[in-house]
Amino acid sequence: GQNIDQPTEMTATEGAIVQINCTYQTSGFNGLFWYQQHAGEAPTFLSYNVLDGLEEKGRFSSFLSRSKGYSYLLLKELQMKDSASYLCAANTGFQKLVFGTGTRLLVSP
Amino acid sequence: EAQVTQNPRYLITVTGKKLTVTCSQNMNHEYMSWYRQDPGLGLRQIYYSMNVEVTDKGDVPEGYKVSRKEKRNFPLILESPSPNQTSLYFCATHQGGPDTQYFGPGTRLTVL
Repeated sequence: GQNIDQPTEMTATEGAIVQINCTYQTSGFNGLFWYQQHAGEAPTFLSYNVLDGLEEKGRFSSFLSRSKGYSYLLLKELQMKDSASYLCAANTGFQKLVFGTGTRLLVSP
Repeated sequence: EAQVTQNPRYLITVTGKKLTVTCSQNMNHEYMSWYRQDPGLGLRQIYYSMNVEVTDKGDVPEGYKVSRKEKRNFPLILESPSPNQTSLYFCATHQGGPDTQYFGPGTRLTVL
């Protein structure tokens, strides 16, 4: 079966650091996506990890451990505009993506 | 400008009345997909296409049809819509590389 787990909701304060975890169990695995989705809008690409390790892109970093079926998205220096849902998705091969239900992040002043 | 367009953006219809949601892209991408997004269930892939005349089922294909007669268009067809197809639908395209995936703006469908 295919299973992607991430927390439903998280809260954090402006300027802080937050880590959103994602665990996956899929029948095939080529890589792990993170998307950001503001309410009522389309998802936008944040990162794609294929190999184990941390990839940093400005305020956002993403980590993957294939052996543990685990990834996280790290957001630093949080801003109010970072309030959104963050979607974790596994590329299971042949252009098939399996998404988690998303983590709603609320950033407060 | 890279663009994925969907029409209509909003639609309220009744059970059994056939409808088509169009998706068009101007990036010459080979790969296109349709997803539905429901609260608590996340995005689920309905169908995908790897090129013209090449389509395959995703995770929730029941009640939907697609066609890919031209590279730029990938319409989603609901032959006999039912209330459980009320959802937010997204079309997406990409050209092999993962960071070239683009989502359309979404179509909010309500079936009464």
